[in-house]
Amino acid sequence: KQEVTQIPAALSVPEGENLVLNCSFTDSAIYNLQWFRQDPGKGLTSLLLIQSSQREQTSGRLNASLDKSSGRSTLYIAASQPGDSATYLCAVRAGETSGSRLTFGEGTQLTVNP
Amino acid sequence: NAGVTQTPKFRILKIGQSMTLQCTQDMNHNYMYWYRQDPGMGLKLIYYSVGAGITDKGEVPNGYNVSRSTTEDFPLRLELAAPSQTSVYFCASSYWAAVSEGTTQYFGPGTRLLVL
Repeated sequence: KQEVTQIPAALSVPEGENLVLNCSFTDSAIYNLQWFRQDPGKGLTSLLLIQSSQREQTSGRLNASLDKSSGRSTLYIAASQPGDSATYLCAVRAGETSGSRLTFGEGTQLTVNP
Repeated sequence: NAGVTQTPKFRILKIGQSMTLQCTQDMNHNYMYWYRQDPGMGLKLIYYSVGAGITDKGEVPNGYNVSRSTTEDFPLRLELAAPSQTSVYFCASSYWAAVSEGTTQYFGPGTRLLVL
C-alpha cells in the first residue's frame, strides 16, 4: 500500500527566505507526482505535476524535483512571500492500471511572516 | 468554464439522516473522484468513476454510495449519517485518454459536513 509522508508538518519563515518542503513515498512505481496548494476553507490548486520520467518541474518561484528510486520529492520556494502562506500537499499516482487515483500526504502548513 | 462545482458548501446533519452531496464539472472530463479530508490530514479517496455508468471503490467507501448517470455529474450519497463522517468532502475530475502518465486533477471548493 502506497504511503506518502510530508516533513515538516508546519513551517514558519520570514518573508524573503528560500525554503524546501519534503515529500516521501513508499512505493517507487509511480506514474506521476503532484504538488497542490490549499488555502483555508478552499479547494486544492495544482502547482506542479512531475511525470515519472522527469526529474524536475519549474513554475515561477517554484521548483519541484523527483527522485523515484529513493522515493522522494522536494518543493523549493524561492524568495517566499506572505501570499505563499497555505498548506502544501504532495500526492502520487501509483502503479494502477485503471483510474488515476492519488495518494495524498498530510501536508505542510506554511506561514510566511511579513 | 466553471470547472468543478459542489453544493452545498456547508451542512449540519443529525445522526441517521441522509443527504446527497452534488458535484458537477463542465470540462468534459471522463474521470471523477470523491475525497474526504479530516482535520490536519491529507485527502482519502472514497469513490471514483472512469466514465458514465462506471464507478469503483476507493480507500474509504463504507457508509457512502455514488452514481454516474452523466459525464457531468457525480453525486455522493450518505444514507445513515454518523459522527465519523464529519469531514470536508472534495470532488475532483480529470481527463484520461489512454494508458499514459496521467494529467492533473481539478478540485471543487469542498463541502463541509458536520454530523451531530
